[in-house]
Amino acid sequence: QVQLKETGPDLVQLTQTLSITCTVSGFSLTTYNVHWVRQPPGKGLEWMGAMWNGGGTDYNSAFKSRLSISRDTSKSQVFLKMNSLQTDDTAKYFCARGRGPFDYWGQGVMVTVSS
Amino acid sequence: DIQMTQSPASLSASLGETVTIECLASEDIYSNLAWYQQKPGKSPQLLIYDASSLQDGVPSRFSGSESGTQYSLEINSLQSEDAATYFCQQHHDYPPTFGAGTKLELK
Repeated sequence: QVQLKETGPDLVQLTQTLSITCTVSGFSLTTYNVHWVRQPPGKGLEWMGAMWNGGGTDYNSAFKSRLSISRDTSKSQVFLKMNSLQTDDTAKYFCARGRGPFDYWGQGVMVTVSS
Repeated sequence: DIQMTQSPASLSASLGETVTIECLASEDIYSNLAWYQQKPGKSPQLLIYDASSLQDGVPSRFSGSESGTQYSLEINSLQSEDAATYFCQQHHDYPPTFGAGTKLELK
């Protein structure tokens, strides 16, 4: 049974760093890509970046150099780290599995950036 | 980045009716289009991929089609559980981009 679960803080202070862990089960990180997608309250979906099954990464240029994605295959975990948070980074952050379309998603973690 | 223009932003329909949601890609995406359903507080669920392939477990009243760079999601025989927001997404080029969403309300 494929599952993804995000864990992370509910609240992050302005200009601080956000760290979220995506723990997966039912598939291998060396077989499937894992993506990060976020959704501000009441708004649409924005792709942030991906951890490829081969270990490489890709990032949305909208996040410039603020975003870092890594993994620990032994723990079946993918990590998102984003620094210099602003209030418009308030969003629900999802991890999702996919080779093109995203066929399984985590339930998401709602992160509020507080000033 | 490829822009996905989705319409309408919202619609209201009755049980049993048929509705169509459309997405226009800013360039050719070669059928690399997915449709998702998202209910409040939940994560998106994949309905359709490659423009017209039905994801396992999705009811057959959902269907996808294309004409050039215009892609459509049709929902037949609307059920109460179809009330949700629907998003299209192109997976032809990176970054993957989404339409703004269509909120479907059942009368």
